[in-house]
Amino acid sequence: EVHLLESGGGLVQPGGPLRLSCAASGFTFYNHAMNWVRQAPGKGLEWVSTIVGSGSATYYADSVKGRFTISRDNSENTLYLQISSPRAEDTAIYYCVKAGGQSLGLFEYWGQGTLVTVSS
Amino acid sequence: DIQLTQSPSSLSASVGDRVTIACQASQDITKYLNWYQKKPGKAPKLLIYDASNLKTGVPSRFSGNGYGRHFTLTINNLQPEDFATYFCQQYDDLPPGPLTFGGGTKVEIK
Repeated sequence: EVHLLESGGGLVQPGGPLRLSCAASGFTFYNHAMNWVRQAPGKGLEWVSTIVGSGSATYYADSVKGRFTISRDNSENTLYLQISSPRAEDTAIYYCVKAGGQSLGLFEYWGQGTLVTVSS
Repeated sequence: DIQLTQSPSSLSASVGDRVTIACQASQDITKYLNWYQKKPGKAPKLLIYDASNLKTGVPSRFSGNGYGRHFTLTINNLQPEDFATYFCQQYDDLPPGPLTFGGGTKVEIK
């Protein structure tokens, strides 16, 4: 059974760094692209970033490009999202999402999410 | 960027009803359209992928249709557990992105 467990969320001050983690199990981690998707309070879903299985390619939404860094440790089956210079508009639930099959953007399984609140 | 327009944004229906939600893409995305169900406090769940393929384990009362720019999600015989918000999402545009979601359709109890 696929299991994705996010951690690292919480209250962070604007500009303060934050790193989210996602522990994955139940599938061959390095064979699948992984994603971060977020949902701000009262808003819809927003794709944040994608990393291919090997980690050799990454993609970002324009709203986070240059501030967020996605990475993965295939030896530890863990996905990361480094958030530099967070802004109030980054306040959201962040979901770790496994891509389906060989695709990059088919969001097959989702974690329960971790809440990030950016506020002074 | 590819925009997805969902309609309606909300609807009221009764148990047993048939419900159809539309999703229109701003450009041709062939079959690369997925549908998700989201309940408050819960993670989204994939229902339909590649426009019309039912994910294993999803009840057969859910179905998807469409190609190109126009897509629909239909729920037959609406059940109490189906009251939720539904999102469409395209992945024709990655790489390099962005992947985009529709604005969502909230299905409420009449």
